[in-house]
Amino acid sequence: QSVLTQPPSVSGAPGQRVTISCTGSSSNIGAGYDVHWYQQLPGTAPKLLIYGNSNRPSGVPDRFSGSKSGTSASLAITGLQAEDEADYYCQSYDSSLVFGGGTKLTVL
Amino acid sequence: EVQLVESGGGLVQPGGSLKLSCAASGFTFSGSAMHWVRQASGKGLEWVGRIRSKANSYATAYAASVKGRFTISRDDSKNTAYLQMNSLKTEDTAVYYCTTRVSQNYATPYFDYWGQGTLVTVSS
Repeated sequence: QSVLTQPPSVSGAPGQRVTISCTGSSSNIGAGYDVHWYQQLPGTAPKLLIYGNSNRPSGVPDRFSGSKSGTSASLAITGLQAEDEADYYCQSYDSSLVFGGGTKLTVL
Repeated sequence: EVQLVESGGGLVQPGGSLKLSCAASGFTFSGSAMHWVRQASGKGLEWVGRIRSKANSYATAYAASVKGRFTISRDDSKNTAYLQMNSLKTEDTAVYYCTTRVSQNYATPYFDYWGQGTLVTVSS
């Protein structure tokens, strides 16, 4: 059971917008620690998607965006594409580095 | 090109030991903290621990689940980080990734480069 709570699954049709939440508490996100997001395609290593709450590394499409407010953070994906089907993880700090439980995105 | 290549995984009996290696290239290894993250089959990511650079006294930190059993070390002359795992339990079965941050520093560490992972299976 992670201290960062994510929905187990989300889904959307191609072209739609989906959001994935990452809910923490006053000891992690609410304490001011940054939130980072990773995408993990089946059978591959995680890939950095968003760092520092809302920054995209070079090469990540601007369809992906991140935000943080209070004790929560969110990852938004617009213009959903089939290749976005993957597991998504948030990551922050709470006495040690912590990951959310992960969210499986299904593109319908 | 930044590369991280793990090796050393395999099958080990409960109570046994195993040492993983992470060979790094394409960045200034000696100046970078190195982390290990694991993932059990069908499960999420779990941070295992990290070792900082020489400038930060090679400080180590570990997840509570492995503290006292796992040890992270590094050899900057070989651009390699290690994860020594002792007193292994069946619940340590996972793919182990080494990972690091090469780009912009943030107060909360993030990981922009990952190895391909190496599978550790603890079973009798």
